[in-house]
Amino acid sequence: GAVVSQHPSRVICKSGTSVKIECRSLDFQATTMFWYRQFPKKSLMLMATSNEGSKATYEQGVEKDKFLINHASLTLSTLTVTSAHPEDSSFYICSARPGLATDTQYFGPGTRLTVL
Amino acid sequence: AQKITQTQPGMFVQEKEAVTLDCTYDTSDPSYGLFWYKQPSSGEMIFLIYQGSYDQQNATEGRYSLNFQKARKSANLVISASQLGDSAMYFCAMRRGSGSARQLTFGSGTQLTVLP
Repeated sequence: GAVVSQHPSRVICKSGTSVKIECRSLDFQATTMFWYRQFPKKSLMLMATSNEGSKATYEQGVEKDKFLINHASLTLSTLTVTSAHPEDSSFYICSARPGLATDTQYFGPGTRLTVL
Repeated sequence: AQKITQTQPGMFVQEKEAVTLDCTYDTSDPSYGLFWYKQPSSGEMIFLIYQGSYDQQNATEGRYSLNFQKARKSANLVISASQLGDSAMYFCAMRRGSGSARQLTFGSGTQLTVLP
């Protein structure tokens, strides 16, 4: 149980294009999903918290117009990197929390984005 | 402010031996939760174990146990009978915030290598 999928697992795009990453909770409903960014050999950096049906809450320093987050249903959240640049190249990981009764987050397998 | 510290960037252990990964935390909240996650080279984050601040007993999950010392503000992970597949990055995390805004703060991680 508590499986989270993420698609695509890898994406290479040209500078200036937009990329959408999907995060799905497969066997549970997630009222809250999270998006993280991770640089090589570094820890996870929280980008934003996404609650179903409401606007995402972004962490300080994260550009909301660049990283668009949509949480349209209890099983799907999307992150769109708009007008991507090489400095946006990173490993992006989503997680989902199955309700308010738990603090445990279950993570997707991550998406490696490379912007040329 | 809440803070999670992992002071061991890298650890080595012989196969079949036990190993302890250190984690200390700092928080002023009376209620908090502590987590350990494993991240293999594939990138996925695997939930290992959880300890609540009010839990009387140390958490255990199979070969994983959490040595929770509240007065010292430490939550070390003990892996017994190490296996080659345990080689990975290990992150300690603490829950911060309340209600729907609850989030996890991650430590810097410890790279564990199990030697044959």
